[in-house]
Amino acid sequence: LAKTTQPISMDSYEGQEVNITCSHNNIATNDYITWYQQFPSQGPRFIIQGYKTKVTNEVASLFIPADRKSSTLSLPRVSLSDTAVYYCLSRGSSNTGKLIFGQGTTLQVKP
Amino acid sequence: DVKVTQSSRYLVKRTGEKVFLECVQDMDHENMFWYRQDPGLGLRLIYFSYDVKMKEKGDIPEGYSVSREKKERFSLILESASTNQTSMYLCASASGRTYEQYFGPGTRLTVT
Repeated sequence: LAKTTQPISMDSYEGQEVNITCSHNNIATNDYITWYQQFPSQGPRFIIQGYKTKVTNEVASLFIPADRKSSTLSLPRVSLSDTAVYYCLSRGSSNTGKLIFGQGTTLQVKP
Repeated sequence: DVKVTQSSRYLVKRTGEKVFLECVQDMDHENMFWYRQDPGLGLRLIYFSYDVKMKEKGDIPEGYSVSREKKERFSLILESASTNQTSMYLCASASGRTYEQYFGPGTRLTVT
């Protein structure tokens, strides 16, 4: 059974780099891993997406090892406004290939 | 910018009522999704649609149905609302096989 697992919460301070890791066993071999950010009372917002190795955009970096059984979202120099819930999304490798969101990681950035 | 709108931000219904939640996207996306979000359970997929008149069950379809008569509109229907369907409902759309989903603001449904 495909499952996506993330830490429930993390604390950080302004200016630090934050790494959030998601484990996704039985991931489909040909699909992307995607990360979202959600603020209270809003829908999730796309942050970054990757298939393997490293992807970087203006917001974050995404590291995916060769076996693709995990991925790490890296937020450089976080600020208070990065306080949010972060979700990873992948697709299971079964025939149904269902999209599976992680439970979400609540990141609290402190001054 | 992609825009996904949902018919209501807040909705209060009585047990047994039929409830319609509507979602409209303006980017000509093939794929549309309905999720519910509950504390401690994250986002769970109810139904999705990859084309007009096409639908697939997600993880928790029981008690729900959907309708997609036009490409831009995806409706979630609660045939007979129950208190355990009190939740935040989120609609999303995406193009092709990408998981770059664009979410609406959500509808907080309370069933009393």
